Amino acid sequence: EDKVVQSPLSLVVHEGDTVTLNCSYEVTNFRSLLWYKQEKKAPTFLFMLTSSGIEKKSGRLSSILDKKELFSILNITATQTGDSAVYLCAAGVNAGGTSYGKLTFGQGTILTVHP
Amino acid sequence: DGGITQSPKYLFRKEGQNVTLSCEQNLNHDAMYWYRQDPGQGLRLIYYSQIVNDFQKGDIAEGYSVSREKKESFPLTVTSAQKNPTAFYLCASGPQKQETQYFGPGTRLLVL
Repeated sequence: EDKVVQSPLSLVVHEGDTVTLNCSYEVTNFRSLLWYKQEKKAPTFLFMLTSSGIEKKSGRLSSILDKKELFSILNITATQTGDSAVYLCAAGVNAGGTSYGKLTFGQGTILTVHP
Repeated sequence: DGGITQSPKYLFRKEGQNVTLSCEQNLNHDAMYWYRQDPGQGLRLIYYSQIVNDFQKGDIAEGYSVSREKKESFPLTVTSAQKNPTAFYLCASGPQKQETQYFGPGTRLLVL
């Protein structure tokens, strides 16, 4: 059974802190690792990673994938109260046929940033 | 305005009743997905469809049914066989054979 595990499950920091969120996976026919941010309702897409060791960056957020050790991290530097959200990671598979695009999600990390 | 819409925002179900959640997209995406979100469990896949008139069961399909008669629409019916339907339901769409999915605002289903 495919499994994605995130840690920590929750995190409380103060503005300006740097945080690292972890995502490990055990997925058959792994193809990609995606990160989403969910503030109240719809998760919004952050990154998709398919290659090991190549960092993706968007402003204060960055992410990297290690396909040998089967994990990814999401870093947020100089956190702001607007970063408070649930961060979800998901593993995509390449099983062919109708399984394309199928994602297995982790439980999410609840990040709270205090002023 | 391109996007995914879900309705209603809140839905109440009585015991033994079937209810249908609506999901519509105008992004011209071939693939559509339904997820259920419970506290502490992330998103779990109920059903997905890569193309019109075709759909597959996800990890927790029991007690649910779907149809995909039009590219833009992927309604989910929660049947009376689903014994624990209270959850937040998210619909998503994406290009065919690609993992990136875009989510609607969700429907919260409550049992009376």
